[in-house]
Amino acid sequence: LAKTTQPISMDSYEGQEVNITCSHNNIATNDYITWYQQFPSQGPRFIIQGYKTKVTNEVASLFIPADRKSSTLSLPRVSLSDTAVYYCLVGPLNTGFQKLVFGTGTRLLVSP
Amino acid sequence: NAGVTQTPKFRVLKTGQSMTLLCAQDMNHEYMYWYRQDPGMGLRLIHYSVGEGTTAKGEVPDGYNVSRLKKQNFLLGLESAAPSQTSVYFCASSGVRLPPGQENEKLFFGSGTQLSVL
Repeated sequence: LAKTTQPISMDSYEGQEVNITCSHNNIATNDYITWYQQFPSQGPRFIIQGYKTKVTNEVASLFIPADRKSSTLSLPRVSLSDTAVYYCLVGPLNTGFQKLVFGTGTRLLVSP
Repeated sequence: NAGVTQTPKFRVLKTGQSMTLLCAQDMNHEYMYWYRQDPGMGLRLIHYSVGEGTTAKGEVPDGYNVSRLKKQNFLLGLESAAPSQTSVYFCASSGVRLPPGQENEKLFFGSGTQLSVL
């Protein structure tokens, strides 16, 4: 299983772009990269998922370089409601999610 | 469409008592999971199920039992609660993988159960 490393915490201000990088040096060929967001007193929720290059949805963008040893979650123009913990998960998707490990995540604090 | 529903939302137990946490999903998902989350830590997998009638151990299974008698339900039991089991418990489900971009490539979580064991 690919081990992931991401910053413990980050601070930002409303309206700024936030980039959270996750390192996963031993990512396997069939592994995907998935990001989840967790608000206090709630379960995590899916944000974005990708295999290579760039993925964009209505919430975020995910940048994955060619060697796939890292990935960057980009949140454009954050607001106070983006204050949450963000988890980077790396693993295969074709046999369920039991092998994916939630680390401690990155605690993002957005201030006015 | 309620997604993943957990009951109860809060519970206080005394050491040695037993209880069952119920997880129900209405998305016809094959896989279901129980996690626990402690302060300052990520989610740790307790048990999981890959289909009706099956269960398997996760990272931290000791002190817990599970059952999946119906596809939509996954029960987590504590036979003799201990203070170390004070935690927030999350249930999740996921479907069989479809081509990229489909809904089933996601984990869907419930809102959690806050359990305190005194």
